[in-house]
Amino acid sequence: DQQVKQNSPSLSVQEGRISILNCDYTNSMFDYFLWYKKYPAEGPTFLISISSIKDKNEDGRFTVFLNKSAKHLSLHIVPSQPGDSAVYFCAASARSGSQGNLIFGKGTKLSVKP
Amino acid sequence: DADVTQTPRNRITKTGKRIMLECSQTKGHDRMYWYRQDPGLGLRLIYYSFDVKDINKGEISDGYSVSRQAQAKFSLSLESAIPNQTALYFCATSDPGQLHGYTFGSGTRLTVV
Repeated sequence: DQQVKQNSPSLSVQEGRISILNCDYTNSMFDYFLWYKKYPAEGPTFLISISSIKDKNEDGRFTVFLNKSAKHLSLHIVPSQPGDSAVYFCAASARSGSQGNLIFGKGTKLSVKP
Repeated sequence: DADVTQTPRNRITKTGKRIMLECSQTKGHDRMYWYRQDPGLGLRLIYYSFDVKDINKGEISDGYSVSRQAQAKFSLSLESAIPNQTALYFCATSDPGQLHGYTFGSGTRLTVV
């Protein structure tokens, strides 16, 4: 029973255009959401996060949007660059709970074509 | 030095062998985790530890055991390796007071033949 779902295994985008990666969750107790980026032969690295008290968080070219009523979040990358090609994992936690462990989605492989 | 160091980086072992994957961290965090990554399945939690005396099973702990030797060290053992344990294994550490979630190691690619 997946609590965090990334339904698109892959996404291909032209350089300079917008990349939109989507994530859905089922657990209404989740109150903190993160995106991680993973290059081959490396561990995942933190990219951007958002608390459930917000609906948008922006960091340079990266923006995360949260729609709590739909239990949906998305990561926008504008403009996309070839160096953004990686696997992106969505993660969620219930920080107000006793454990706050991160639950990860299956990942979306983004390819940005020059 | 990396914040989270995993050894070995790559390992090929035979079915039935015992193998240990090691992880050490310099972040000074109490919480440590072991995940495995399989194609199409994302990151799945094997075991986690909130301090030296605390060990907890994760989503897929069967066939694995762990040891928290010190705050900085958390090792994962496969008592009798089997081919479906072939995967990429990641160790991570976290401080619940920080907003950046987990810091991961570079991973160990394990192949069981």
